[in-house]
Amino acid sequence: ETGVTQTPRHLVMGMTNKKSLKCEQHLGHNAMYWYKQSAKKPLELMFVYNFKEQTENNSVPSRFSPECPNSSHLFLHLHTLQPEDSALYLCASSQAEDGAYEQYFGPGTRLTVT
Amino acid sequence: GQQVMQIPQYQHVQEGEDFTTYCNSSTTLSNIQWYKQRPGGHPVFLIQLVKSGEVKKQKRLTFQFGEAKKNSSLHITATQTTDVGTYFCAGRVAYSGAGSYQLTFGKGTKLSVIP
Repeated sequence: ETGVTQTPRHLVMGMTNKKSLKCEQHLGHNAMYWYKQSAKKPLELMFVYNFKEQTENNSVPSRFSPECPNSSHLFLHLHTLQPEDSALYLCASSQAEDGAYEQYFGPGTRLTVT
Repeated sequence: GQQVMQIPQYQHVQEGEDFTTYCNSSTTLSNIQWYKQRPGGHPVFLIQLVKSGEVKKQKRLTFQFGEAKKNSSLHITATQTTDVGTYFCAGRVAYSGAGSYQLTFGKGTKLSVIP
C-alpha cells in the first residue's frame, strides 16, 4: 500500500451518466494529481492541486471537473464522457507540486465509457 | 511544450540478458526520477538523481544522471521475470517563468522478459 487510495477501482458508465472518482491520501502531502493512462499516452497529466488550489489544468475538456475540498481528498467529476475517455485514471500525491519530491500513486480507476 | 523523451518504447529480452532504457531532455533537468509499473499495477517510485554525473545502484539496477543533466539511464543486469513492467523516467523541468517547476514523465519503456 502506498497510502493513496482510489474508489471505485472499476467503473462502467454510459455517455449520458454522471459519476465521480475519489482519491484519498494518508501521507500528509500538500500536492495531489490526476493522470490519465491509455495505450496512446502512457501518463498524461490532467490536473494538479497544491494546498487545495488548482495550479495546473492541462487543457482537459470540461466534461472532466476536479474538486479538492482539502489536502487529503481529490475528486474527479465525470459527465457526458466519450468512448475515447476510457482509460485508467490515476491519482497521485507528493510533498510539493514542483517536482522536487517523488509521487505516490494510487491503484487507479479503470473507466470504461460505453 | 517541454518533453522528456524515453527510448526504446518496447524491449524484449531473454531472461539473464541485460536491459537499458534511456531518457533525454533538450533542456537541463533539476532532477530525474525513475518509476516502475508492473502489469495491472500503478507506477511505483524507484529512485531520484539530483547531482551531475550521479550513479546509484539498487541490487541489479544501476541509475545514471548525465554530466550535463540532460539525460539519464536505467540499466538492469541479468534480467529476471520479476523485472517485467514499464519503466518511466520523470524529469523536473522549469516552465512559465522563474521559480516554477514541474515533473514531466517520459512515455516509458515496456520490458518483457522471456523465461
